[in-house]
Amino acid sequence: SAVISQKPSRDICQRGTSLTIQCQVDSQVTMMFWYRQQPGQSLTLIATANQGSEATYESGFVIDKFPISRPNLTFSTLTVSNMSPEDSSIYLCSAGGGANTGELFFGEGSRLTVL
Amino acid sequence: DAKTTQPTSMDCAEGRAANLPCNHSTISGNEYVYWYRQIHSQGPQYIIHGLKNNETNEMASLIITEDRKSSTLILPHATLRDTAVYYCIVRVKDSNYQLIWGAGTKLIIKP
Repeated sequence: SAVISQKPSRDICQRGTSLTIQCQVDSQVTMMFWYRQQPGQSLTLIATANQGSEATYESGFVIDKFPISRPNLTFSTLTVSNMSPEDSSIYLCSAGGGANTGELFFGEGSRLTVL
Repeated sequence: DAKTTQPTSMDCAEGRAANLPCNHSTISGNEYVYWYRQIHSQGPQYIIHGLKNNETNEMASLIITEDRKSSTLILPHATLRDTAVYYCIVRVKDSNYQLIWGAGTKLIIKP
């Protein structure tokens, strides 16, 4: 199985600032995704991180607010820009399509609190 | 919208089998049933998946009805550490990794 590491695991940020979350996979994977999980809620897909090209965003999420990079097959970043308290959430990186096709693996999440 | 329906919550006594149902009446012929769980403050964890045959691994068993419109995840000897939210998801294997997550079932294992 793939091991996914996210940094930071948690952070407290001020309104109006930006935070970049890093996601590192221990093996090459085809697909990487970013999810948001608000307190007590299920997971919502933000975007698919595409290697070498612009991410594909889901309805309700835009690149200016959540810029994503994926420079290679094992690494991606998600930036939460111009944060507001409504952005307080857990952000999860996931990956799949590697050696164990069919399974999707998740990081432990980055818990973001915006004051 | 999620393509599955699960009970909001369930209780199970420690040491007993936990049976978690899932309805997926609109499942397509090439869609698999996947189960994940999320223990509090952790990322989701893959449990098992299947197409039409029953499946078993070291964590659980998956029973899929003959018409494939529903399935049951079985944790044979539940422990307190199995307390988690369990998600049932349908998707085409090796594609459509953009999983659609429903609310899941909050399973509470009681001593």
